[in-house]
Amino acid sequence: ILNVEQSPQSLHVQEGDSTNFTCSFPSSNFYALHWYRWETAKSPEALFVMTLNGDEKKKGRISATLNTKEGYSYLYIKGSQPEDSATYLCARAATGGGNKLTFGTGTQLKVEL
Amino acid sequence: DSGVTQTPKHLITATGQRVTLRCSPRSGDLSVYWYQQSLDQGLQFLIQYYNGEERAKGNILERFSAQQFPDLHSELNLSSLELGDSALYFCASSVGGSGGSYNEQFFGPGTRLTVL
Repeated sequence: ILNVEQSPQSLHVQEGDSTNFTCSFPSSNFYALHWYRWETAKSPEALFVMTLNGDEKKKGRISATLNTKEGYSYLYIKGSQPEDSATYLCARAATGGGNKLTFGTGTQLKVEL
Repeated sequence: DSGVTQTPKHLITATGQRVTLRCSPRSGDLSVYWYQQSLDQGLQFLIQYYNGEERAKGNILERFSAQQFPDLHSELNLSSLELGDSALYFCASSVGGSGGSYNEQFFGPGTRLTVL
């Protein structure tokens, strides 16, 4: 993996469904993995920052896991609600100066009633 | 509201012109980042300043430059504008940002630049 890749590109689920997305990234020179939530016409909002292999973070119905050795992170949403509809971005920070983030292109989630 | 402010919200200009985008970070944040969001691309990192000094650089064009002032606000200058520079430009700030930080970044509302 040379870049940060996210899958799927888009997802339509029904209210109450649980869902998950994948973020794959280069494992070399890894420092941190960020997840952001981006609603239409708003600015990206930080969800989680993870640094340690095996890290798991949770915020309400949303949780994330991290595997730095194989270079992937999963974001889970339990019991999706219409207000969860947004684009979910992951971004990788590498070691060596600054806090430059390399973003994936995001997973667009649409939760329907 | 993230606490990061950006002005102007919208900017329409012609090719060949020069514009300045302004960003004020959250109170207490020392790092400012600039990102470009074009129509067909994800968020692209342009440049980071930490306490007045350039800290990290992305694929920023030579026609673009930035600086961070003593009061920590930042300006992004875009010159000799081309149609392809039309994009949403975000500023973000964080507390730290030196040496591969794990600080989350707080994004401003963005400036939408349209080059005609």
